[in-house]
Amino acid sequence: DQQVKQNSPSLSVQEGRISILNCDYTNSMFDYFLWYKKYPAEGPTFLISISSIKDKNEDGRFTVFLNKSAKHLSLHIVPSQPGDSAVYFCAASGGNDMRFGAGTRLTVKP
Amino acid sequence: ETGVTQTPRHLVMGMTNKKSLKCEQHLGHNAMYWYKQSAKKPLELMFVYNFKEQTENNSVPSRFSPECPNSSHLFLHLHTLQPEDSALYLCASSRTTSASGDEQFFGPGTRLTVL
Repeated sequence: DQQVKQNSPSLSVQEGRISILNCDYTNSMFDYFLWYKKYPAEGPTFLISISSIKDKNEDGRFTVFLNKSAKHLSLHIVPSQPGDSAVYFCAASGGNDMRFGAGTRLTVKP
Repeated sequence: ETGVTQTPRHLVMGMTNKKSLKCEQHLGHNAMYWYKQSAKKPLELMFVYNFKEQTENNSVPSRFSPECPNSSHLFLHLHTLQPEDSALYLCASSRTTSASGDEQFFGPGTRLTVL
């Protein structure tokens, strides 16, 4: 039962353009949503989060949008840089539960 | 040393072996987690400890046995594993459990191969 889905396994973007990573969830009890970034041979590192009471959170080049009615969130990276190339995981938490998506591999081409 | 550390980084074991994975966090966190990451699958939460007490066990087979002697250390004891248990095992910690949406800090993982 995959409650958090990232339907795009990979995304390729040109340097300087916008990267949009998408995530869908099914459980309406989730109240926090987080994005993690993972480089090879390293554990995931926290990037940005959003509470279910908000619809947008911005931190520098990274913005997360939450659409609760659609149970959908997205991560926007503007402008994209080659160093952003990594696997991005969407996560949702509620109660004592934390669920992750399968990840999207982002490649930013110079 | 800071952050979350895991040892060993790589482990190869036979199905009859007994081994242990170790995780240590130097962040003063009260919650610790074990995750399993198989190829092209989502991270699977295995165990959650909050203030040294196990609060979650997501139907993990008994061949995986966690131990949390204090809030800084977490072990995963392995015995009679199966080849399908081969995966990356990640440890994480947070100030409290996920109920508050606290970000988790992950270790680099242990790459386990079961022959």
